[in-house]
Amino acid sequence: QKEVEQNSGPLSVPEGAIASLNCTYSDRGSQSFFWYRQYSGKSPELIMFIYSNGDKEDGRFTAQLNKASQYVSLLIRDSQPSDSATYLCAAGGGAGGTSYGKLTFGQGTILTVHP
Amino acid sequence: DTGVSQDPRHKITKRGQNVTFRCDPISEHNRLYWYRQTLGQGPEFLTYFQNEAQLEKSRLLSDRFSAERPKGSFSTLEIQRTEQGDSAMYLCASSPTGLNQPQHFGDGTRLSIL
Repeated sequence: QKEVEQNSGPLSVPEGAIASLNCTYSDRGSQSFFWYRQYSGKSPELIMFIYSNGDKEDGRFTAQLNKASQYVSLLIRDSQPSDSATYLCAAGGGAGGTSYGKLTFGQGTILTVHP
Repeated sequence: DTGVSQDPRHKITKRGQNVTFRCDPISEHNRLYWYRQTLGQGPEFLTYFQNEAQLEKSRLLSDRFSAERPKGSFSTLEIQRTEQGDSAMYLCASSPTGLNQPQHFGDGTRLSIL
C-alpha cells in the first residue's frame, strides 16, 4: 500500500466547473498536508497547506482534511485552462518513526480544464 | 525575494561518471531538502539538513549518493558512478525550522545518463 495515494487521473473538467482532487494517507501520525501544482517540465509550486480538520479556503482553492478518515482533498472552483497541471498531494510530520522533515508525495493527478 | 536556486538546470553524462549538483536555499531558511522525481511519479525524499547537520537520509539512497551542506547555506548532491536508473529530476527545497513548515522547491536539475 502506498503511503500517500491520489485519485487516478487524468481528470478533465470544463472551464468554470469545480475540479475535485482527492488523496488518502496511511500514516496516522501525519500532521501536515500540502497541495502542490506542477506544470509539465517545471518544479512543484505550493498551492495550499492544511493542518487541522475541516476546510481551508484561499481564493478559488479549498483544502479539506479529515484525519479520522485519513483523507485530504482540494477543490478548485471556477476552473480555468491555466489550472491544467499535475496536482501533487504530500503528507508531512509522520510519527511512525519518520522524521518531521520529509514530505511523502502521492503520484499526482493530471488535471485538464478544457475551454 | 530570491527563491531556491539550483545549478545546473540540465546535466547529460555518460554512465559511470560522477556528477555534482548545487542548491542555494531561500536565505532565511534553515532546512534544506533533496528529492528525486521520475516521470509520472511524485517527488521521492532523499535527504534533508537543518543548518549543516544532515538529519535524515532515505534508506533507499544508495552509497553512491552523498550530500553536504558544509556552512549551513548552499548544499551539494553528488552521485558517483552514475547508472541509467539515476536519470531523473533532482529537486531541492527549503523551509524555515519548525514543525509543518511548507517547503518551497527550486527549478530542479534534470539528469540524463547516456
